[in-house]
Amino acid sequence: GAGVSQSPSNKVTEKGKDVELRCDPISGHTALYWYRQSLGQGLEFLIYFQGNSAPDKSGLPSDRFSAERTGGSVSTLTIQRTQQEDSAVYLCASSLEGINTGELFFGEGSRLTVL
Amino acid sequence: GNSVTQMEGPVTLSEEAFLTINCTYTATGYPSLFWYVQYPGEGLQLLLKATKADDKGSNKGFEATYRKETTSFHLEKGSVQVSDSAVYFCALRPFTGGGNKLTFGTGTQLKVEL
Repeated sequence: GAGVSQSPSNKVTEKGKDVELRCDPISGHTALYWYRQSLGQGLEFLIYFQGNSAPDKSGLPSDRFSAERTGGSVSTLTIQRTQQEDSAVYLCASSLEGINTGELFFGEGSRLTVL
Repeated sequence: GNSVTQMEGPVTLSEEAFLTINCTYTATGYPSLFWYVQYPGEGLQLLLKATKADDKGSNKGFEATYRKETTSFHLEKGSVQVSDSAVYFCALRPFTGGGNKLTFGTGTQLKVEL
């Protein structure tokens, strides 16, 4: 597609439920990033996929969070047993692998509300 | 570790006023520095960048100079417009490793009024 696409754009769930958030990066971009944007907290790095390398999971806040990237394209961020503190906007970005210009292309985000 | 500190918002200005949004960073070596902008209802997009000390990044009338001695990268614009209303994020990319993994500040909301 023309840009990074994320779905759903809004998700309201009950505490304890599992949620899946999807990211479809720009075609040809082999690097993919997940960030979390919480009120007053800025953008918090979660996980980074680059090509066929092992993902950098150093930002995942707990073992309830996981992410996959299938076929080097679409990625799914899964949050198990959601808690109220998981409420945030989850942003996905992609970039060209090996072109370390610092330019990330962001989607509009998935807003998660945990009741 | 790496970190970025931005001035808190919101910043409210009248149209044609001068803008400064302060940004300082902590990092080892010589990181690259960036300003990203998030317009209402849109994803973040790169506004400008600088990759070494004393470099000036510029775009759309915005400028920022990489100051190694003060570890700063303040964003400036001489005359803001209503269309500049957005949230501005300062960010850094480490000198080595991590691909395009960026560390962001908390963001500063700018509101420009007529």
